[in-house]
Amino acid sequence: EDQVTQSPEALRLQEGESSSLNCSYTVSGLRGLFWYRQDPGKGPEFLFTLYSAGEEKEKERLKATLTKKESFLHITAPKPEDSATYLCASLVGGGNKLTFGTGTQLKVEL
Amino acid sequence: NAGVMQNPRHLVRRRGQEARLRCSPMKGHSHVYWYRQLPEEGLKFMVYLQKENIIDESGMPKERFSAEFPKEGPSILRIQQVVRGDSAAYFCASSPGTADTQYFGPGTRLTVL
Repeated sequence: EDQVTQSPEALRLQEGESSSLNCSYTVSGLRGLFWYRQDPGKGPEFLFTLYSAGEEKEKERLKATLTKKESFLHITAPKPEDSATYLCASLVGGGNKLTFGTGTQLKVEL
Repeated sequence: NAGVMQNPRHLVRRRGQEARLRCSPMKGHSHVYWYRQLPEEGLKFMVYLQKENIIDESGMPKERFSAEFPKEGPSILRIQQVVRGDSAAYFCASSPGTADTQYFGPGTRLTVL
């Protein structure tokens, strides 16, 4: 069964303290690995799509990378407004359904 | 550029009533997906539709739940005879084609009393 596991479950950082979130996947035939940000009471907001091992994408303070077994979301010098739950999801095989991890709840403090 | 729209944003029903959740995809998107997020759980896929067709309903409960995406109008997720366990946030997403990025709406929060 396709599985997506995120760690840590929760992470507390000081403003400016860089860190990484992990997403490991056990799937066959990965077609895409997606990162979303979700604020309380809102829908997931798209961040990145990665398609092949070695690929990297950046947006402001965030950088996503992909290997054959896991993906990382690096957060450089985070600010309080980066506080949110970060979700990763896999898309496999011939289907169109995303399999989500349970997320990492990030809190950035002043 | 309007995003995915869902209504209502909040819905309260008593046990045994019906719930209808509506989703209008982004302009130019013909693929619609429904996901459910139970308290303290991750997002779970329910159903994938294209105009007038259900493509994959492998995540839909076998009873009481149905979905449609008519030629005209929004996609509808219908839950008959709701029970307390149906209380959750229901999210709709849309994409322009297969394997494309899915963009999510703000969700409908269903509370069953």
